[in-house]
Amino acid sequence: AQSVTQLDSHVSVSEGTPVLLRCNYSSSYSPSLFWYVQHPNKGLQLLLKYTSAATLVKGINGFEAEFKKSETSFHLTKPSAHMSDAAEYFCVVSEIGTYKYIFGTGTRLKVLA
Amino acid sequence: DAGVIQSPRHEVTEMGQEVTLRCKPISGHNSLFWYRQTMMRGLELLIYFNNNVPIDDSGMPEDRFSAKMPNASFSTLKIQPSEPRDSAVYFCASTSGAVWYGYTFGSGTRLTVV
Repeated sequence: AQSVTQLDSHVSVSEGTPVLLRCNYSSSYSPSLFWYVQHPNKGLQLLLKYTSAATLVKGINGFEAEFKKSETSFHLTKPSAHMSDAAEYFCVVSEIGTYKYIFGTGTRLKVLA
Repeated sequence: DAGVIQSPRHEVTEMGQEVTLRCKPISGHNSLFWYRQTMMRGLELLIYFNNNVPIDDSGMPEDRFSAKMPNASFSTLKIQPSEPRDSAVYFCASTSGAVWYGYTFGSGTRLTVV
């Protein structure tokens, strides 16, 4: 069965410092992995996705994530946080050939001035 | 492209009343999903349509909930009668074919049942 664990419910960083949001997954087959961002009172927006191509995936707004099969991880990073990055971030796993998303519980990112 | 359009953005209703939420997916997308988001339970898939046909409604909490997709450009989620525990943000999402393309979510409808 598929599952995804976001290891931190809240992360605080100072503006201009690196961001690391951690995600571990469990999947029997080749997973598709996604990161979505949700700003307050907004819908979810796709940041990036991994679908068995390059293991280092670049997304929008300077975010990237690396698929590490040996560690079953898909951590989200950004070199330098911006105030506008403050939001909730969801890690999602789906198996190729299925339609279901399994959402993590979310990580709320706070960016301090 | 206007994205996935949901209406209304906010709905406040009294317990026992019927509530209808609406969704217009992106043109050309053939898969549509209704999700519910609460603090306690996070994001829950309620129902999935493919080519206007309901494929999986196992997430619909009870018979008070029903969803329809009469054509490729419109879907509704109805709650009758509504209860306070239905208060949540309801999201519609669509995608074209393979779900690994990623979903496009609407901005959601915040439902409050008093």
